Amino acid sequence: EPEVTQTPSHQVTQMGQEVILRCVPISNHLYFYWYRQILGQKVEFLVSFYNNEISEKSEIFDDQFSVERPDGSNFTLKIRSTKLEDSAMYFCASSEQGIGDTQYFGPGTRLTVL
Amino acid sequence: AQSVTQPDIHITVSEGASLELRCNYSYGATPYLFWYVQSPGQGLQLLLKYFSGDTLVQGIKGFEAEFKRSQSSFNLRKPSVHWSDAAEYFCAVGVFTGNQFYFGTGTSLTVIP
Repeated sequence: EPEVTQTPSHQVTQMGQEVILRCVPISNHLYFYWYRQILGQKVEFLVSFYNNEISEKSEIFDDQFSVERPDGSNFTLKIRSTKLEDSAMYFCASSEQGIGDTQYFGPGTRLTVL
Repeated sequence: AQSVTQPDIHITVSEGASLELRCNYSYGATPYLFWYVQSPGQGLQLLLKYFSGDTLVQGIKGFEAEFKRSQSSFNLRKPSVHWSDAAEYFCAVGVFTGNQFYFGTGTSLTVIP
């Protein structure tokens, strides 16, 4: 069964450094998402992406964040200058259609900012 | 504003007992409703979803959920819990205004022998 994959599984970085989290969505899906889950808290929406542009973003997704689909398979989340509070599990998801379609989640990347 | 409430932070049940996890949502129209499960160290796995039609939906692993419009609820049930069901359960709402989900805060399920 097709699945969403994410790399790395765990990323440790120093505060102020840039990180790029990578995701490979399911191949025939057209909508892509990033979520984060701070330890012990709920999963929070960051951004959705369709047709090579952001379709929606939350207030969390400020100028420090950016997303890109650099090729036909990868979908990346970049944090330009990490802060301690960026430490969280970041989940990528994809769906075949938008607006409420089932989103399939990857296993997540745990980001630790020191 | 849309919101999802899972009133029970933590539930403990005995193996073989029945289970009901509560979910209430706040949204102006009928949303798409989902239940996801997250095992320790794992990603989110879809258990079931409701879009329209029959308000009782069946999912994987023997789970079912019932949509009750009058109560704005979408409670998850299982008649007999297995030890492997111990996990975190998230209710989620998909809305028409955008391509995002709103997740509840989750319910942690512990299963005791």
